[in-house]
Amino acid sequence: DAKTTQPPSMDCAEGRAANLPCNHSTISGNEYVYWYRQIHSQGPQYIIHGLKNNETNEMASLIITEDRKSSTLILPHATLRDTAVYYCIVRVNAGNMLTFGGGTRLMVKP
Amino acid sequence: DVKVTQSSRYLVKRTGEKVFLECVQDMDHENMFWYRQDPGLGLRLIYFSYDVKMKEKGDIPEGYSVSREKKERFSLILESASTNQTSMYLCASMGTSQYNEQFFGPGTRLTVL
Repeated sequence: DAKTTQPPSMDCAEGRAANLPCNHSTISGNEYVYWYRQIHSQGPQYIIHGLKNNETNEMASLIITEDRKSSTLILPHATLRDTAVYYCIVRVNAGNMLTFGGGTRLMVKP
Repeated sequence: DVKVTQSSRYLVKRTGEKVFLECVQDMDHENMFWYRQDPGLGLRLIYFSYDVKMKEKGDIPEGYSVSREKKERFSLILESASTNQTSMYLCASMGTSQYNEQFFGPGTRLTVL
């Protein structure tokens, strides 16, 4: 699986959009971009995934650059409950395990 | 609402004890996983199972074994607990859909004294 690079931490004001970047410059053509988050003392939670098109669901939007070397997770209106560590993972869809790196610790502030 | 449950949120054991961590999922998923999570090391896969009675080693299987007698239940066993097995243990399950979304349990924080 391709390696990902994320900033270790970010702050966001409550009600504003949180934009979390992820670099995956060695991604290969059959690898998907997945995002999970982990709120303190809880198990990781799936957020969204995509291959090359931008994706949106009830939790977030995923923007993938045309060359697929980076992506951005967008939480359109961050709330205090969105404070968590966000993990960007790149993997072949048919794979089994997940490998979580350091992630980005997002702090949403009032 | 999908659910993965783990038998304990917090557990304290002594060195040398045999420890059982239970995980149950109600989604009829074929695949189940045990991870441990440690500061600075991220999530590491211990074992996974893709069917009843089937198991595969992950990255760090040493000191652990698993049991999958029923589809909904995946147990992690520490035969003789050691202090370096103090960690957060996370169970996950996943179906065979094309998207491979994994659903995680709340975790068990194990302390071995």
